[in-house]
Amino acid sequence: QVQLQESGPGLVKPSETLSLTCTVSGDSMRSYYWNWIRQPPGKGLEWIGDIYYSGSTHYNPSLKSRVTVLVDTSKNQFSLKLSSVTAADTAVYYCARGSIHFDYWGQGTLVTVSS
Amino acid sequence: DIQMTQSPSSLSASVGDRVTIACRASQSITSNLNWYQQKPGKAPKLLIYAASSLQSGVPSRFSGSGSGTYFTLTISSLQPEDSATYYCQQSYNSPQTFGQGTKVEIK
Repeated sequence: QVQLQESGPGLVKPSETLSLTCTVSGDSMRSYYWNWIRQPPGKGLEWIGDIYYSGSTHYNPSLKSRVTVLVDTSKNQFSLKLSSVTAADTAVYYCARGSIHFDYWGQGTLVTVSS
Repeated sequence: DIQMTQSPSSLSASVGDRVTIACRASQSITSNLNWYQQKPGKAPKLLIYAASSLQSGVPSRFSGSGSGTYFTLTISSLQPEDSATYYCQQSYNSPQTFGQGTKVEIK
């Protein structure tokens, strides 16, 4: 059974960089796309970006200038960096597997942007 | 970006009712449409992919249909555990986008 687990700080100051890691267990990362998706409190879902196990990436144009997604297949992990955060970046951040649909998700981690 | 619009935004129905949620895309997405169920405090769960294919382990009372710009998710006999918010998502092109959600409550 594939499991994903997000980890990282729950509080980030405005203008700083949000950094999260997703650890994948139960399967290899090979041959899959790995995604970051976020959900502001009480709102809908927004796809942030994905990375293939080989390292190729796709980003949401609305966030592209601030987003970096990296993968480390030796550790079965991929990561998200979102720079210059503001209160609008406060959200539950999910990692998920898939390209045309997302079949496995982490439980999500709330990141609050506040001084 | 392709805009996804769901209707209604919320509904209340009784156990055993047939419930239908609609999702409309701003342009044709062929059959690249997925449905998710999200319960409070939980991650979304994939129900239907490619418009009408049932994800493994999902009860058969859930079904999806449609193509092009109009899609529906149907729950044939609503159960108490189906109380949740449902989202559609297009995977036709990037960025992948979601509908705003439909909250289903049990009367």
